[in-house]
Order: sequence, then structure tokens, then C-alpha cells
Amino acid sequence: NAGVTQTPKFRILKIGQSMTLQCTQDMNHNYMYWYRQDPGMGLKLIYYSVGAGITDKGEVPNGYNVSRSTTEDFPLRLELAAPSQTSVYFCASSSPKNIQYFGAGTRLSVL
Amino acid sequence: GENVEQHPSTLSVQEGDSAVIKCTYSDSASNYFPWYKQELGKGPQLIIDIRSNVGEKKDQRIAVTLNKTAKHFSLHITETQPEDSAVYFCAALKAAGNKLTFGGGTRVLVKP
Repeated sequence: NAGVTQTPKFRILKIGQSMTLQCTQDMNHNYMYWYRQDPGMGLKLIYYSVGAGITDKGEVPNGYNVSRSTTEDFPLRLELAAPSQTSVYFCASSSPKNIQYFGAGTRLSVL
Repeated sequence: GENVEQHPSTLSVQEGDSAVIKCTYSDSASNYFPWYKQELGKGPQLIIDIRSNVGEKKDQRIAVTLNKTAKHFSLHITETQPEDSAVYFCAALKAAGNKLTFGGGTRVLVKP
């Protein structure tokens, strides 16, 4: 059982470039989340989704966009990368009992 | 909204000793309190959780206690081992929602 899969694992972007962080889960969970984790810090919620076609902002949504066309996939888009977006990004999905399962993360550097 | 405070931010213990991490939350409507362990280079993984209708829960060497009146909950690790070295996060969830609010994390180092 793969769980939550994130790609890529590492990426270096130049300022102003765009990219999409991919996230897919095979547990048929309705709820999915994107977090960022800055060095030595906790997890901050960027966006979340309660099901296909429904997304909502979290604590730090500026500079990001999401879509949820299927239950399985929840990509995160960075349109104009800035150094402040250098972070580790985690995708998670949630079971009906509220247990969140995390992917292995995408480490992003914007230079 | 919910606010979760976690202490200490770092904890160094000798192998075999106990480790205790404490969290407080602000929203009395929160009713689910998970603890996650994050090893270096990996995503957080649930290690134990507790719901508001229970005061204590144990799973082998780890236990969690909840004091709803005081709005705080704690993680206890007994007989610590080097593989317990990691960052631990507490979190809280409100009954009507599905967004966890995380504490700032505790870096635990178990010295052999």
C-alpha cells in the first residue's frame, strides 16, 4: 500500500519560475492537505480539500494555488517562486477517524 | 482559532530515562489530540492519539494523558532508546472540523 506519494523529492527553482508539486493518495480519503515546514519550525497549513472539486485556504495560502479534480490527486502550484517559499512541503490525507497520513515531502529551494 | 503551544522545544535525555513533552490548547471545542513523530528526512507519522472522552492511553513505551479542564495534554516516553530520537509534534482538532493545529515541535535526543 503506497499511501501518500509526493513528487519530486527535491527541486531547485530560480526566482520567478513556476512549478507544480504532485501529491497522490491511494487510500480513497476525501480530505487532503498541503503543509510547509520551515527549518526548525512546525507545520503550517497552506491549502486543504474536503473532496474532489472543493478546496479552501489554510493559514499561509499566499503565493500558492491548488486544484482537486480527482479524489486521488491534490497538486500544489507555485506561480512566481520567491526565496520565502524555500521550505519542505508535505502533503497529507486524512482517514474518516481524522488520522492524517503524510507523504515523504518535497524539499524546495528558490534561489 | 485554535492555538497549540508545545514545550520544551528541545529535550536531551539519557538512554533508559523517561521523556515528557507537554502541550496546551486554547479551544475547548477541540476533542482529538494526536502525536506525530518525524524522523530526519521523513514525513510525520502518527504514534499515538487520544480523544476527549479518555484521560489516558498507553501503547507499549509511550503514553498520552489529557486534562480537558486545564486544556493540556502530554506525551510520555519511558525507557527511551536511541531510535526515539526525532522531532515530536502534538496537534489538536475541533469536533466539527478536519484541520489539525500543530504545536511547534520538540526535538528529542536520546544519548546512548
